[in-house]
This record gives sequence, C-alpha cells and structure tokens, in this order.
Amino acid sequence: GQQLNQSPQSMFIQEGEDVSMNCTSSSIFNTWLWYKQDPGEGPVLLIALYKAGELTSNGRLTAQFGITRKDSFLNISASIPSDVGIYFCAGQGMGSGNTGKLIFGQGTTLQVKP
Amino acid sequence: DAMVIQNPRYQVTQFGKPVTLSCSQTLNHNVMYWYQQKSSQAPKLLFHYYDKDFNNEADTPDNFQSRRPNTSFCFLDIRSPGLGDAAMYLCATSRDWGDEQFFGPGTRLTVL
Repeated sequence: GQQLNQSPQSMFIQEGEDVSMNCTSSSIFNTWLWYKQDPGEGPVLLIALYKAGELTSNGRLTAQFGITRKDSFLNISASIPSDVGIYFCAGQGMGSGNTGKLIFGQGTTLQVKP
Repeated sequence: DAMVIQNPRYQVTQFGKPVTLSCSQTLNHNVMYWYQQKSSQAPKLLFHYYDKDFNNEADTPDNFQSRRPNTSFCFLDIRSPGLGDAAMYLCATSRDWGDEQFFGPGTRLTVL
C-alpha cells in the first residue's frame, strides 16, 4: 500500500544530543501526526499538525508541517534514554485517498547511549 | 483516565483454532479501528467501524472478522489462524473520521 518516505531508518546517538527525522510524500495531506512506539506497546500520539507551515512543540519535541503539505519533520532536543523507541510519522486526508485513513512512514528506530 | 484497553495483552493459539481479541474504549469515540503490525513494520489497517457501519480494507483476508456490539467495545475474530497471522494487533479510536487516532497497548498473538 501507499507509504510515506521516512528517514533515517535508524539512529544511534549519545544522550544529550539533538535528533531530527523527517517524512516526505508525493501526495499532500491535511494532517500530519507523529507517534512513538515502545517495544511491546501501542503507538502513542506525540504531536498532531493541522496547517501547512505549522510549528508545534511538546516539551523537548518540535514538529513542523511543511509548506508544500508533502513533508513534516520531528526534532527531539537534548535526548534522554527514555526517548528510545520507534517513531512513526503518519499523514491523513487527501493523499490517503480516503480522508480518515492514516498513511504511515516506515518508522525511525532511535537508540540513545547513556 | 479515558483510554483504549485491549485484552488480553498476550494470546497464544494453535494453528486453525479460532481466537477473539477484545478492545474497549472510555473515550466515547465514534470510530474504532483494527490494525495488524508485524515486526519492524508500520501498522496495517484491517478494518474500521464508524458507529455501526463496518468498513473492510480491500486486502484484508476473509479469515479476519470484526464485531462492534456497542460504542465501547469492538472485537477482532480470527477464524482459522495461520502461522502468518502471528503479529501485534492494535485497536485505535478517533472521535470522528479524519480525527487523530489513539491506540491501545496491543495484543501480541502467537500461533503455534
């Protein structure tokens, strides 16, 4: 099925470093969502973006909805060990064909070295 | 706290033996979804309910069925599990179609 291009696929960083990951699509979306999934758990919604150009923060997390509506990035500042997990972007609306369906990226696996 | 609950968290079944997974929500959301997630992959939508209206994804095998007896509960029935059906099954809800989705903790299914 349709997927977003999410990069990088994995990251191994030192505690305290900043992290950046992004998603791109050939289709435009009305909404971009970022989820974090811990091993053996369901995805947890981190940030939801609704408007092109929107920049939203949630603690150490910052995400932006690209102006073209075809991309989004997520930044994590000053990483800590509990940031470890898989981060998924998801687009919703227009590019998903059926407006409510989530189209997921492949995920970015983040490992943090204490 | 309002939430999405899945039971059991771990389910072991035998090849071909029917199994039912359960999801309940206290969010009073209109839409409930079932996803299948295999290792190192993104969740894959199987079907969703908007209230009582059932919507099947085109590539969801007939082996998978779902029931939503009321707003709060939704069940996933796997009629004859195969080895390839071993996966994490995720339930999600959204207030309305197109709203952000909130996931439960998942049920890990093992097929022996």
